[in-house]
Amino acid sequence: QKEVEQNSGPLSVPEGAIASLNCTYSDRGSQSFFWYRQYSGKSPELIMFIYSNGDKEDGRFTAQLNKASQYVSLLIRDSQPSDSATYLCAVRRTNAGKSTFGDGTTLTVKP
Amino acid sequence: EAGVAQSPRYKIIEKRQSVAFWCNPISGHATLYWYQQILGQGPKLLIQFQNNGVVDDSQLPKDRFSAERLKGVDSTLKIQPAKLEDSAVYLCASSSDGRSGNTIYFGEGSWLTVV
Repeated sequence: QKEVEQNSGPLSVPEGAIASLNCTYSDRGSQSFFWYRQYSGKSPELIMFIYSNGDKEDGRFTAQLNKASQYVSLLIRDSQPSDSATYLCAVRRTNAGKSTFGDGTTLTVKP
Repeated sequence: EAGVAQSPRYKIIEKRQSVAFWCNPISGHATLYWYQQILGQGPKLLIQFQNNGVVDDSQLPKDRFSAERLKGVDSTLKIQPAKLEDSAVYLCASSSDGRSGNTIYFGEGSWLTVV
């Protein structure tokens, strides 16, 4: 079992729709959770991080965390073609620890 | 503010040859990471430095990979001898410290093809 699991996709949504990306993790001691976006041929860039149960909103993006279910998700509202990318989920166990990444979900937003 | 700098951007070598990648983190960032990203997979941590000390190198194939961070600033990752399965992007990243929620900034990556 991988430490961080993501559906590889591809996930395809029409422009203006809500895209929902999911991630599960195996280490119950995980404390911090991150979503990165990676365009093809580019390096990952941080979209959001969350470490408390519940929702965290930033513009069109909402991260949701449920530690009891070991589940974290990212919602993208009003999806745009420019959101087409691979979304990587990462978890960190300790304050100074490493970030473990999932293999990413590829999102395509169709005009 | 300058980002994480890496070189070379692209490298093609034959198997059993050696290669070295260089990274200069964002100024003042104490933590430096080297990740390996194989096509279609997420980044995998090879080694993490805090200043010039190693924090985690549990996934570094030490029989062929080595890394150093002299004076707590620049870092070099070396592969010797290279294998076909080492073909990947080598991402250097840095953060101001290792605390929870602290942003990791990635460089553009060094693309390695082993033939």
